Amino acid sequence: GAGVSQTPSNKVTEKGKYVELRCDPISGHTALYWYRQSLGQGPEFLIYFQGTGAADDSGLPNDRFFAVRPEGSVSTLKIQRTERGDSAVYLCASSLKQGYGYTFGSGTRLTVV
Amino acid sequence: ELKVEQNPLFLSMQEGKNYTIYCNYSTTSDRLYWYRQDPGKSLESLFVLLSNGAVKQEGRLMASLDTKARLSTLHITAAVHDLSATYFCAVVGAYSGAGSYQLTFGKGTKLSVIP
Repeated sequence: GAGVSQTPSNKVTEKGKYVELRCDPISGHTALYWYRQSLGQGPEFLIYFQGTGAADDSGLPNDRFFAVRPEGSVSTLKIQRTERGDSAVYLCASSLKQGYGYTFGSGTRLTVV
Repeated sequence: ELKVEQNPLFLSMQEGKNYTIYCNYSTTSDRLYWYRQDPGKSLESLFVLLSNGAVKQEGRLMASLDTKARLSTLHITAAVHDLSATYFCAVVGAYSGAGSYQLTFGKGTKLSVIP
């Protein structure tokens, strides 16, 4: 597609439930990043993929968070046992070359009630 | 750990006035980005600054980078209402062992331009 696509755009879930957030990057972009943006804050890095592998997962807050990119294109961010503090906008970005030309998706607004 | 600080965090200005947003960062970097974010929207790339002394301009916005001072500025000239948004600077840290070149963002400057 022309841009980075994220689905769903909004997700409301109950505390303790499992959620999956999807990111479809720009075709041919090998670098893919997940960020989390809390209300009134700048985005914070979660995880980076180069191709299929997670090259840097140092931003994941705990082991309830996991992400995959099995075929080097679409990525899924998975959150287990959701907590109210997980409520935020989750942004995905991709780039053709790592460190340059990031394009961000519109984000998924996750609300845990 | 790379830290990025922006100021001011909130800025209310009248149309036609000039103002500057500042972005300081704590460690060496060779790339700095400015983004615009409208409410409920994603991040729109405005500028990327790659070297000391770099200056870029687009319309009423001009960004500059001083890598020695670890400072970037975003200058707004003759503000108009359409510029109302939140502006973020983001810095790419020096190469890490994992090679992620992740962006570290400031908290953003919420700009309101009043007619």
